[in-house]
Amino acid sequence: NAGVTQTPKFRILKIGQSMTLQCTQDMNHNYMYWYRQDPGMGLKLIYYSVGAGITDKGEVPNGYNVSRSTTEDFPLRLELAAPSQTSVYFCASSYSQGLEAFFGQGTRLTVV
Amino acid sequence: KNQVEQSPQSLIILEGKNCTLQCNYTVSPFSNLRWYKQDTGRGPVSLTIMTFSENTKSNGRYTATLDADTKQSSLHITASQLSDSASYICVVAGGYQKVTFGTGTKLQVIP
Repeated sequence: NAGVTQTPKFRILKIGQSMTLQCTQDMNHNYMYWYRQDPGMGLKLIYYSVGAGITDKGEVPNGYNVSRSTTEDFPLRLELAAPSQTSVYFCASSYSQGLEAFFGQGTRLTVV
Repeated sequence: KNQVEQSPQSLIILEGKNCTLQCNYTVSPFSNLRWYKQDTGRGPVSLTIMTFSENTKSNGRYTATLDADTKQSSLHITASQLSDSASYICVVAGGYQKVTFGTGTKLQVIP
């Protein structure tokens, strides 16, 4: 059982470049989330989705976009990378709000 | 403003010893409180979830307590093992999709 899978694990981007962080889950969870974790800080919610076709902004959505065309996949798009987006990004999923969230292993992104 | 504060920031203990991590929160309304363990370079893994009516919940050597009146929670680790070395994150869920993460306590268990 793979759980939540994120790719890539590491990436270095130049300022202004774009990229997509991939996230897929095989647990048939309705809820999916994207978080960023900066050094010494708690995780911050970027975007979330309560089901296919439905997405909403979290606490820190600026500079990011998401889509949810299927239950399994929830990609995160960075259009114009900025140094402030250097962080570790975690995707998570849960069956329902308030239930246990399962996290992927993270993507460490550096923007230079 | 919803806040979750954890203490201590870091902790070093000898293998076999017990320890207690603290979490104070100001999240309102309150839905549930979760403790996660995050190994270095990995995603967080859930240890316990506690709702308003639960005072204590155990998961093996991990025991979490919740005092909803004082808005405090603790995570007690019994007979620590080297594999317990990790960051422990307190997470409080409030209203719809309102989840606040603490900054974590970094625990190091040494032989």
